[in-house]
Amino acid sequence: ETGVTQSPTHLIKTRGQQVTLRCSSQSGHNTVSWYQQALGQGPQFIFQYYREEENGRGNFPPRFSGLQFPNYSSELNVNALELDDSALYLCASSPSRDRVYGYTFGSGTRLTVV
Amino acid sequence: GENVEQHPSTLSVQEGDSAVIKCTYSDSASNYFPWYKQELGKRPQLIIDIRSNVGEKKDQRIAVTLNKTAKHFSLHITETQPEDSAVYFCAALFGGNEKLTFGTGTRLTIIP
Repeated sequence: ETGVTQSPTHLIKTRGQQVTLRCSSQSGHNTVSWYQQALGQGPQFIFQYYREEENGRGNFPPRFSGLQFPNYSSELNVNALELDDSALYLCASSPSRDRVYGYTFGSGTRLTVV
Repeated sequence: GENVEQHPSTLSVQEGDSAVIKCTYSDSASNYFPWYKQELGKRPQLIIDIRSNVGEKKDQRIAVTLNKTAKHFSLHITETQPEDSAVYFCAALFGGNEKLTFGTGTRLTIIP
């Protein structure tokens, strides 16, 4: 086990709804990064959180938002879901924002939007 | 922009032979290059990585080589086994150490 846990493992939502995904970082890690992996593609960087603040963002619209809590766990929120949001959502934690070397992913949340 | 190209997209290799997957990247400032293996329905798992101050790194049957001048790096798997069948992704670290950009993946099939 990587020490990074994600919940839920699977989720089905209807277009237009909102969803919250959760990630518990590995002990001692203060940085969490979120990625979206559509079927047949490589993971795409959504954003990173370091000490409760966003520290870098990929090419995702504002309806993708996040939070990091004092215990360094994190949430990914997606509003106004679209069919194309169907994907595997992965999070990874690292000891600090400048030490992402070797970071590993949690098991992911598979989101299906219908 | 930030881009990683990966070739080939599919690769079939006879069991026991070697497999090579190649990636090129756009940003000469990139300094960290991991490789991930992803089995069907599972998360990507880190199998080997290399930093820019090293030209080659080996871990048992897996090796990675880096050519910073040409901005390309390769994964080498020797003595392939059926359990090596999976999708492999290369990646490069861009933009102040906060973001991994992934290649498009290579589906490797080992033929028994």
